[in-house]
Amino acid sequence: SAVISQKPSRDICQRGTSLTIQCQVDSQVTMMFWYRQQPGQSLTLIATANQGSEATYESGFVIDKFPISRPNLTFSTLTVSNMSPEDSSIYLCSVEGSGGYTFGSGTRLTVV
Amino acid sequence: DQQVKQNSPSLSVQEGRISILNCDYTNSMFDYFLWYKKYPAEGPTFLISISSIKDKNEDGRFTVFLNKSAKHLSLHIVPSQPGDSAVYFCAAGAGTASKLTFGTGTRLQVTL
Repeated sequence: SAVISQKPSRDICQRGTSLTIQCQVDSQVTMMFWYRQQPGQSLTLIATANQGSEATYESGFVIDKFPISRPNLTFSTLTVSNMSPEDSSIYLCSVEGSGGYTFGSGTRLTVV
Repeated sequence: DQQVKQNSPSLSVQEGRISILNCDYTNSMFDYFLWYKKYPAEGPTFLISISSIKDKNEDGRFTVFLNKSAKHLSLHIVPSQPGDSAVYFCAAGAGTASKLTFGTGTRLQVTL
């Protein structure tokens, strides 16, 4: 199955700033998924990123707040813009592999 | 609207006994179900999956049972080991390469 390198693993950010999270996959994949896990809650899909097209966002998530780039088949970034304490979460990228989905190790974001 | 529900937030089982984790879903379009294990500070790790054409899938100590009429699936771990202590998420999808909807997780504690 694919191996995903996600960074940063954690960060503490000031409100009003932005953070870009990167995911690098060791193989070419068509779709990459970005999830958020807020404290005590389940994983929630933010958007699906296809190479060469605009990301598809789930209800409650918008491109201005979570811009996504997908410049090639092995790489994607998610930016959390104009952060507030409510954005404090774990953010994960994911790709589909044989038998299931593989996840990055996650980015634990704390906004102060 | 929580389409995938794990009603037990925690479960404690003695080492060597069977662990049974339950999951219910409401969306009849789901045709693919997965279980993930998550350790603290790590991303979810894929465990086992089942498609709606089956009612059982087994992989070593892990067996997933699907009851489509009841919209219920369960994960059996036998024998349970201390290293199985983690949070377990069930997830469901509709069609291949589809977004996953996750349950809120069940924290399993395997005691000596």
